[in-house]
Amino acid sequence: AQKVTQAQTEISVVEKEDVTLDCVYETRDTTYYLFWYKQPPSGELVFLIRRNSFDEQNEISGRYSWNFQKSTSSFNFTITASQVVDSAVYFCALSGEAAGNKLTFGGGTRVLVKP
Amino acid sequence: EAQVTQNPRYLITVTGKKLTVTCSQNMNHEYMSWYRQDPGLGLRQIYYSMNVEVTDKGDVPEGYKVSRKEKRNFPLILESPSPNQTSLYFCASSLSGETSYGYTFGSGTRLTVV
Repeated sequence: AQKVTQAQTEISVVEKEDVTLDCVYETRDTTYYLFWYKQPPSGELVFLIRRNSFDEQNEISGRYSWNFQKSTSSFNFTITASQVVDSAVYFCALSGEAAGNKLTFGGGTRVLVKP
Repeated sequence: EAQVTQNPRYLITVTGKKLTVTCSQNMNHEYMSWYRQDPGLGLRQIYYSMNVEVTDKGDVPEGYKVSRKEKRNFPLILESPSPNQTSLYFCASSLSGETSYGYTFGSGTRLTVV
């Protein structure tokens, strides 16, 4: 069975601070994929990143960066120099080979960036 | 524009009154799925479809029905809605059900059952 845990339910920061969102996953599959989605106050789900289990290279995209560590089953997400527009709920998700294309989501972390 | 279209965006209904939430995608995707989102629980899969006429239960299928008569459409049917089905619902599609390409999500349907 797949499981994704986002232990932080809500994080509040002041603009320009960095914020790191934790994601821990469980799967028995050797091939799997990890995702982050953003849900702004308007409610839609926005795809941010997809990584596969064989690619542990960390990635930076603008102010976003991701730290994938297979040894600790973690796929953490950092927003550098946060902005008010980053305020949203962020979901980590997992899809394992055995489950086909089913995405299993964590409970989400609400990020509030104050001016 | 490639998209998944859900209707309606908002719906308030009474217990027991049958309703259908429509979902349509224009990307020729094989895989479609319905999720519900509840606070603290993230998104949970209700039903999914690997292709036309192929549907299967997800994690929380009770109280829901689906059909996939055409590739582009995947309606969600609540035959007798109850207040515990008050939730935010998302339809999603993906290129294939065989591997994980990630999903394109619809804009969501906020359902309230009173």
